Amino acid sequence: NAGVTQTPKFQVLKTGQSMTLQCAQDMNHNSMYWYRQDPGMGLRLIYYSASEGTTDKGEVPNGYNVSRLNKREFSLRLESAAPSQTSVYFCASSIFTGYSDYGYTFGSGTRLTVV
Amino acid sequence: AQSVTQLDSHVSVSEGTPVLLRCNYSSSYSPSLFWYVQHPNKGLQLLLKYTSAATLVKGINGFEAEFKKSETSFHLTKPSAHMSDAAEYFCVVSTELYNNNDMRFGAGTRLTVKP
Repeated sequence: NAGVTQTPKFQVLKTGQSMTLQCAQDMNHNSMYWYRQDPGMGLRLIYYSASEGTTDKGEVPNGYNVSRLNKREFSLRLESAAPSQTSVYFCASSIFTGYSDYGYTFGSGTRLTVV
Repeated sequence: AQSVTQLDSHVSVSEGTPVLLRCNYSSSYSPSLFWYVQHPNKGLQLLLKYTSAATLVKGINGFEAEFKKSETSFHLTKPSAHMSDAAEYFCVVSTELYNNNDMRFGAGTRLTVKP
């Protein structure tokens, strides 16, 4: 099925460990996004990539890095995990046309626990 | 700047009764507005969207929302709740800014449906 695929679905890390969350979309979308979801706070944008070759910070970028590997793939890296990064992470993609009448397609999420 | 406020963190209704989930927004530009639904341990799914066409928007699963500019509101309604509607609902405001969609999520409203 077409959509956004995230791996892994679950992960437990120890404080200070590093890991990369993977995201791939097969809808030929230009833009891709990483969000984190915390209880009572909705979704907050970590980083986004408006097009292949570009990345920009969102609301909460500290402690994260990203790579837009190609048009399909957008990865999120935690270099030194902290308990404050315990969250559910969602990748999303969208068509950017200059007219905002399209929503996002979301992956199913990665539940990360840092102990 | 733009933001969205969901006025209720939790709404409980009986099956077969109407649903009202309230959302107010703030935007310096002409916004697009969305409602997303998230079922437990799932990603977010687009319910409906408003993009400056008809002010009454119909979405999937019998949901609809009305854009009221004078009240800066975009409330989500459904005439008759079904057990499968139990989920978390997010109101989202979006504005095209330069090279990206700037989407801001509300904190979410958890809908409980009692038999």
